Amino acid sequence: DTGVSQDPRHKITKRGQNVTFRCDPISEHNRLYWYRQTLGQGPEFLTYFQNEAQLEKSRLLSDRFSAERPKGSFSTLEIQRTEQGDSAMYLCASSPRGLKETQYFGPGTRLLVL
Amino acid sequence: DAKTTQPPSMDCAEGRAANLPCNHSTISGNEYVYWYRQIHSQGPQYIIHGLKNNETNEMASLIITEDRKSSTLILPHATLRDTAVYYCIVRVARGRSGGSNYKLTFGKGTLLTVNP
Repeated sequence: DTGVSQDPRHKITKRGQNVTFRCDPISEHNRLYWYRQTLGQGPEFLTYFQNEAQLEKSRLLSDRFSAERPKGSFSTLEIQRTEQGDSAMYLCASSPRGLKETQYFGPGTRLLVL
Repeated sequence: DAKTTQPPSMDCAEGRAANLPCNHSTISGNEYVYWYRQIHSQGPQYIIHGLKNNETNEMASLIITEDRKSSTLILPHATLRDTAVYYCIVRVARGRSGGSNYKLTFGKGTLLTVNP
Protein backbone atom coordinates (compact mmCIF):
# COMPACT_ATOMS: atom_id res chain seq x y z
CA ASP A 1 0.00 0.00 0.00
CA THR A 2 1.45 3.36 -0.99
CA GLY A 3 -0.93 5.58 0.98
CA VAL A 4 -0.08 8.08 3.70
CA SER A 5 1.24 6.35 6.80
CA GLN A 6 1.46 7.67 10.34
CA ASP A 7 3.29 6.40 13.37
CA PRO A 8 2.39 5.66 16.07
CA ARG A 9 -1.30 5.00 15.64
CA HIS A 10 -1.96 5.49 19.34
CA LYS A 11 -0.04 7.33 22.06
CA ILE A 12 -0.81 7.66 25.75
CA THR A 13 1.32 10.08 27.71
CA LYS A 14 1.32 11.93 30.98
CA ARG A 15 0.78 15.65 31.17
CA GLY A 16 4.04 17.53 30.78
CA GLN A 17 5.77 14.94 28.62
CA ASN A 18 6.93 15.56 25.06
CA VAL A 19 5.59 13.48 22.17
CA THR A 20 6.59 13.20 18.52
CA PHE A 21 4.54 11.87 15.64
CA ARG A 22 5.73 10.89 12.21
CA CYS A 23 4.00 11.11 8.85
CA ASP A 24 5.17 9.51 5.62
CA PRO A 25 3.32 11.01 2.66
CA ILE A 26 2.53 9.36 -0.63
CA SER A 27 5.70 9.13 -2.65
CA GLU A 28 6.38 12.20 -4.80
CA HIS A 29 3.67 14.27 -3.13
CA ASN A 30 5.37 17.58 -2.49
CA ARG A 31 2.67 19.02 -0.22
CA LEU A 32 2.04 17.82 3.31
CA TYR A 33 -0.54 18.94 5.86
CA TRP A 34 -1.21 18.37 9.53
CA TYR A 35 -4.72 18.54 11.00
CA ARG A 36 -6.11 17.96 14.47
CA GLN A 37 -9.49 16.44 15.23
CA THR A 38 -11.23 16.43 18.60
CA LEU A 39 -14.22 14.30 19.46
CA GLY A 40 -17.36 15.21 17.55
CA GLN A 41 -15.64 17.83 15.41
CA GLY A 42 -14.26 17.86 11.90
CA PRO A 43 -10.50 18.05 11.37
CA GLU A 44 -8.89 21.47 11.87
CA PHE A 45 -5.90 22.65 9.87
CA LEU A 46 -2.63 23.03 11.77
CA THR A 47 0.16 23.53 9.27
CA TYR A 48 1.26 23.01 5.69
CA PHE A 49 4.54 22.21 3.94
CA GLN A 50 5.52 22.55 0.34
CA ASN A 51 8.61 20.38 0.00
CA GLU A 52 10.68 21.25 3.08
CA ALA A 53 9.28 24.75 3.52
CA GLN A 54 6.61 25.32 6.15
CA LEU A 55 4.38 27.83 4.40
CA GLU A 56 1.52 28.27 6.83
CA LYS A 57 0.80 27.70 10.50
CA SER A 58 -2.61 27.94 12.10
CA ARG A 59 -3.17 29.99 15.22
CA LEU A 60 -4.11 26.65 16.79
CA LEU A 61 -0.42 25.75 16.66
CA SER A 62 0.87 27.12 19.94
CA ASP A 63 4.54 27.57 20.76
CA ARG A 64 4.56 24.08 22.24
CA PHE A 65 3.96 22.61 18.80
CA SER A 66 6.63 22.30 16.15
CA ALA A 67 6.56 20.56 12.80
CA GLU A 68 9.39 19.76 10.46
CA ARG A 69 9.90 18.22 7.06
CA PRO A 70 13.67 18.34 6.75
CA LYS A 71 14.20 16.59 3.43
CA GLY A 72 10.87 17.26 1.87
CA SER A 73 9.74 13.70 2.43
CA PHE A 74 8.51 12.56 5.86
CA SER A 75 7.36 15.03 8.49
CA THR A 76 7.35 15.09 12.28
CA LEU A 77 5.01 16.90 14.64
CA GLU A 78 6.29 17.43 18.15
CA ILE A 79 4.26 18.58 21.13
CA GLN A 80 6.24 19.76 24.12
CA ARG A 81 4.91 19.83 27.69
CA THR A 82 1.67 18.13 26.70
CA GLU A 83 -1.59 19.26 28.26
CA GLN A 84 -4.85 17.37 28.61
CA GLY A 85 -6.36 19.66 25.96
CA ASP A 86 -3.90 18.26 23.44
CA SER A 87 -5.77 14.96 23.47
CA ALA A 88 -7.01 14.50 19.93
CA MET A 89 -6.51 12.66 16.66
CA TYR A 90 -3.61 14.12 14.69
CA LEU A 91 -4.05 13.63 10.97
CA CYS A 92 -1.54 13.99 8.18
CA ALA A 93 -2.43 14.46 4.53
CA SER A 94 -0.43 14.87 1.34
CA SER A 95 -1.19 16.13 -2.13
CA PRO A 96 0.64 16.21 -5.42
CA ARG A 97 1.76 19.23 -7.36
CA GLY A 98 -0.78 20.28 -9.95
CA LEU A 99 -4.24 21.61 -10.50
CA LYS A 100 -6.12 18.89 -8.66
CA GLU A 101 -4.13 19.01 -5.43
CA THR A 102 -6.51 16.54 -3.83
CA GLN A 103 -5.43 15.77 -0.28
CA TYR A 104 -5.13 12.16 0.81
CA PHE A 105 -5.20 11.45 4.50
CA GLY A 106 -3.38 8.97 6.67
CA PRO A 107 -5.03 6.89 9.42
CA GLY A 108 -4.12 9.41 12.13
CA THR A 109 -2.37 9.24 15.49
CA ARG A 110 -4.69 9.24 18.46
CA LEU A 111 -3.14 11.03 21.45
CA LEU A 112 -4.41 10.73 25.00
CA VAL A 113 -2.84 12.96 27.63
CA LEU A 114 -3.50 11.83 31.17
CA ASP B 1 -13.39 29.63 2.01
CA ALA B 2 -17.17 29.56 1.77
CA LYS B 3 -19.11 28.02 4.60
CA THR B 4 -21.19 24.90 4.00
CA THR B 5 -24.35 23.67 5.67
CA GLN B 6 -25.19 19.98 5.96
CA PRO B 7 -27.84 18.08 7.89
CA PRO B 8 -26.32 16.51 11.01
CA SER B 9 -27.60 13.03 10.25
CA MET B 10 -29.37 10.91 7.65
CA ASP B 11 -30.49 7.32 7.34
CA CYS B 12 -30.55 5.14 4.26
CA ALA B 13 -31.60 1.57 3.58
CA GLU B 14 -28.96 -0.81 2.29
CA GLY B 15 -29.06 -1.09 -1.48
CA ARG B 16 -30.87 2.19 -1.95
CA ALA B 17 -29.37 5.44 -3.18
CA ALA B 18 -28.10 7.84 -0.53
CA ASN B 19 -28.50 11.50 -1.43
CA LEU B 20 -26.52 13.83 0.80
CA PRO B 21 -27.26 17.56 0.41
CA CYS B 22 -24.95 20.48 0.98
CA ASN B 23 -25.65 24.20 0.86
CA HIS B 24 -22.86 26.60 -0.03
CA SER B 25 -24.75 29.75 -0.93
CA THR B 26 -21.71 32.05 -0.62
CA ILE B 27 -19.51 30.02 -2.94
CA SER B 28 -17.26 32.02 -5.26
CA GLY B 29 -16.68 31.36 -8.91
CA ASN B 30 -13.23 29.86 -8.36
CA GLU B 31 -14.17 27.56 -5.50
CA TYR B 32 -14.45 23.81 -5.86
CA VAL B 33 -16.84 21.57 -3.97
CA TYR B 34 -15.08 18.62 -2.33
CA TRP B 35 -16.59 15.63 -0.58
CA TYR B 36 -14.75 13.49 1.95
CA ARG B 37 -16.01 10.84 4.29
CA GLN B 38 -14.67 9.53 7.57
CA ILE B 39 -15.43 6.09 8.82
CA HIS B 40 -15.20 5.76 12.58
CA SER B 41 -11.63 6.09 13.91
CA GLN B 42 -10.10 6.37 10.43
CA GLY B 43 -8.66 9.28 8.47
CA PRO B 44 -10.89 11.17 6.02
CA GLN B 45 -11.23 9.55 2.63
CA TYR B 46 -11.50 11.61 -0.55
CA ILE B 47 -14.64 10.86 -2.55
CA ILE B 48 -15.10 13.37 -5.35
CA HIS B 49 -14.89 17.04 -6.25
CA GLY B 50 -16.25 19.39 -8.89
CA LEU B 51 -16.42 22.99 -10.00
CA LYS B 52 -19.48 23.48 -12.21
CA ASN B 53 -20.30 20.29 -14.01
CA ASN B 54 -21.69 17.13 -12.51
CA GLU B 55 -19.04 14.55 -11.80
CA THR B 56 -19.08 10.78 -11.43
CA ASN B 57 -16.45 8.28 -10.36
CA GLU B 58 -16.40 4.74 -9.06
CA MET B 59 -17.52 5.82 -5.62
CA ALA B 60 -20.20 8.45 -6.15
CA SER B 61 -21.80 11.14 -8.24
CA LEU B 62 -21.74 14.84 -7.51
CA ILE B 63 -24.59 17.02 -8.70
CA ILE B 64 -23.99 20.78 -8.53
CA THR B 65 -26.89 23.14 -9.12
CA GLU B 66 -26.63 25.62 -11.95
CA ASP B 67 -26.22 28.57 -9.57
CA ARG B 68 -23.61 26.51 -7.65
CA LYS B 69 -25.23 27.36 -4.33
CA SER B 70 -25.87 23.76 -3.43
CA SER B 71 -24.79 20.26 -4.32
CA THR B 72 -25.78 16.66 -3.70
CA LEU B 73 -23.53 13.68 -3.24
CA ILE B 74 -25.14 10.48 -4.46
CA LEU B 75 -24.07 7.01 -3.41
CA PRO B 76 -26.05 4.92 -5.92
CA HIS B 77 -26.27 1.66 -3.97
CA ALA B 78 -25.43 2.24 -0.33
CA THR B 79 -23.87 -0.58 1.66
CA LEU B 80 -23.33 -0.98 5.39
CA ARG B 81 -19.69 0.01 4.84
CA ASP B 82 -20.82 3.43 3.63
CA THR B 83 -21.87 4.33 7.18
CA ALA B 84 -19.65 7.33 7.92
CA VAL B 85 -19.53 11.08 8.47
CA TYR B 86 -19.64 12.84 5.11
CA TYR B 87 -18.04 16.25 4.79
CA CYS B 88 -18.85 18.81 2.11
CA ILE B 89 -16.02 21.32 1.75
CA VAL B 90 -15.65 24.35 -0.46
CA ARG B 91 -12.11 25.30 -1.29
CA VAL B 92 -10.67 27.90 -3.56
CA ALA B 93 -8.56 26.66 -6.43
CA ARG B 94 -4.90 27.55 -6.21
CA GLY B 95 -4.34 31.17 -7.03
CA ARG B 96 -1.34 32.46 -8.86
CA SER B 97 0.14 33.60 -5.60
CA GLY B 98 -0.31 30.15 -4.05
CA GLY B 99 -0.22 30.53 -0.30
CA SER B 100 -3.04 29.50 1.99
CA ASN B 101 -5.44 28.23 -0.61
CA TYR B 102 -4.69 24.65 0.15
CA LYS B 103 -6.15 23.94 3.53
CA LEU B 104 -9.46 22.13 3.88
CA THR B 105 -11.97 23.65 6.28
CA PHE B 106 -14.16 20.90 7.67
CA GLY B 107 -17.54 21.43 9.31
CA LYS B 108 -19.29 18.78 11.37
CA GLY B 109 -20.54 16.90 8.34
CA THR B 110 -23.48 14.52 7.99
CA LEU B 111 -23.52 11.20 9.78
CA LEU B 112 -24.96 8.76 7.25
CA THR B 113 -26.21 5.53 8.75
CA VAL B 114 -26.94 2.74 6.31
CA ASN B 115 -29.41 0.28 7.79
CA PRO B 116 -29.82 -3.39 6.81
